[in-house]
Amino acid sequence: QKEVEQDPGPLSVPEGAIVSLNCTYSNSAFQYFMWYRQYSRKGPELLMYTYSSGNKEDGRFTAQVDKSSKYISLFIRDSQPSDSATYLCAMMPMGGGQGAQKLVFGQGTRLTINP
Amino acid sequence: EAGVVQSPRYKIIEKKQPVAFWCNPISGHNTLYWYRQNLGQGPELLIRYENEEAVDDSQLPKDRFSAERLKGVDSTLKIQPAELGDSAVYLCASSLDQVGGTEAFFGQGTRLTVV
Repeated sequence: QKEVEQDPGPLSVPEGAIVSLNCTYSNSAFQYFMWYRQYSRKGPELLMYTYSSGNKEDGRFTAQVDKSSKYISLFIRDSQPSDSATYLCAMMPMGGGQGAQKLVFGQGTRLTINP
Repeated sequence: EAGVVQSPRYKIIEKKQPVAFWCNPISGHNTLYWYRQNLGQGPELLIRYENEEAVDDSQLPKDRFSAERLKGVDSTLKIQPAELGDSAVYLCASSLDQVGGTEAFFGQGTRLTVV
């Protein structure tokens, strides 16, 4: 079993729709949770960064972390064609040792927003 | 501020040939990562440096892969000899080591094709 599971999609929605992207994880040591957006033939770009449980909002994007369920989500409101990309969740444990600062990624979900 | 710079962007080589990738992290970032991303997959960690020390190289295939980070700044990843299965995007990322973790920023990646 992978440490981080993410549905690869593809996911296709009409412009203006609310998009929900999700990841589950098995390692309870994960404390830092990130969402990256990756356009074709580009490197991953950091979108959202949250610590522990709770919500974080940035414009049209909202990240949620539920540590009790080991489940994280990214919501995109009023989706735009320019949001079409692959979205990667990533997680990092807290503390010292070899595992610290180790960023573990999900498989990525390919999202297409149709005009 | 300049981001993470990688070169070359693309590389095509014949199997059994050597290849090297170069990465210049964001100024001041002491943690540097090399990831490999296969088609349709999330990035997988190959090696992580804190300054000039490789603190996590457990996923690096040491029979053919090597890496170095001289003076704790630029880094080079080498494959010798390359195999067909090494075709992938090689991503470099850097982060500022802070208590409790921090965001990692990625370069554009080097797309390697082994023929």
